[in-house]
Amino acid sequence: DIQMTQSPSSLSASVGDRVTITCRASQGIRDDLAWFQQKPGKAPQRLIYTASYLQSGVPSRFSGSGSGTEFTLTISSLQPEDFATYYCLQHNSYPWTFGQGTKVEI
Amino acid sequence: EVQLVESGGGLVQPGGSLRLSCAASGFTFNAYWMTWVRQTPGQGLEWVANIDQEEIEKYYVDSVKGRFTISRDNAKDSVYLQMNSLRIEDTGVYYCLRGAQVWGQGTLVTVSS
Repeated sequence: DIQMTQSPSSLSASVGDRVTITCRASQGIRDDLAWFQQKPGKAPQRLIYTASYLQSGVPSRFSGSGSGTEFTLTISSLQPEDFATYYCLQHNSYPWTFGQGTKVEI
Repeated sequence: EVQLVESGGGLVQPGGSLRLSCAASGFTFNAYWMTWVRQTPGQGLEWVANIDQEEIEKYYVDSVKGRFTISRDNAKDSVYLQMNSLRIEDTGVYYCLRGAQVWGQGTLVTVSS
C-alpha cells in the first residue's frame, strides 16, 4: 500500500498568511493526487486535481504542485473562510489512501 | 446540478448488516466510476470501495474485503454498499463519491451493542 505522509498535522496562522501543506508518498504516484478541504460537519470538497489543476470555482489563492512523491498545497493569502482541515488523496493505485489531514487554525 | 444523496445509515449491533444507497442526479451516471469513502469518529478519511461503470471492476480496502459489497444499478442512477458482519470499528460517516471529485453529504453508521 502507498502511505501518504501529510505535514504538518496542524498549524496556526493569521489572515493574510501564506500557508504550505505537504504530502509525501511512500512510492511514486506520478501526478495522481488531489487535495480536499473539509469544514466541520460538512463533506470534503475538492480543491486541486491531478496535483496542480484548480477545481472550477475554487479561488486562485489555492495552488498545488509536485509530482512523483512530494506534493504541496499552498494558500497564498489565508482568508477567514479557509480555516478548515485539508487532506491529500492518492489515486494512483489501490488501495487509494488519504493523508492524515492538516487542521488550519487561527 | 450534480448531486449525490446517501441513505440507509443507522444503528446496528456488531455482526449485523446494513445496506447503504446513493442516488445520483445531474450527470450521466453510467459514465462514471463510483466510490465509497468513510470517516471514523475523530479520525481522518478512509477509502472503502470503487466500482466501474459496468460492474466489471470492483476494489476494496483490505479491512472490508469479504464483508462489504459495492454494486450499482445504472437504470436507477444508484450505487450501493452492502455491509455485513459489521464491527465497532466500521462506525463512521459514509460518503458516496463520483470518482474522486463530487461528494454526497454522508450517512452515519453506528455499530454498537
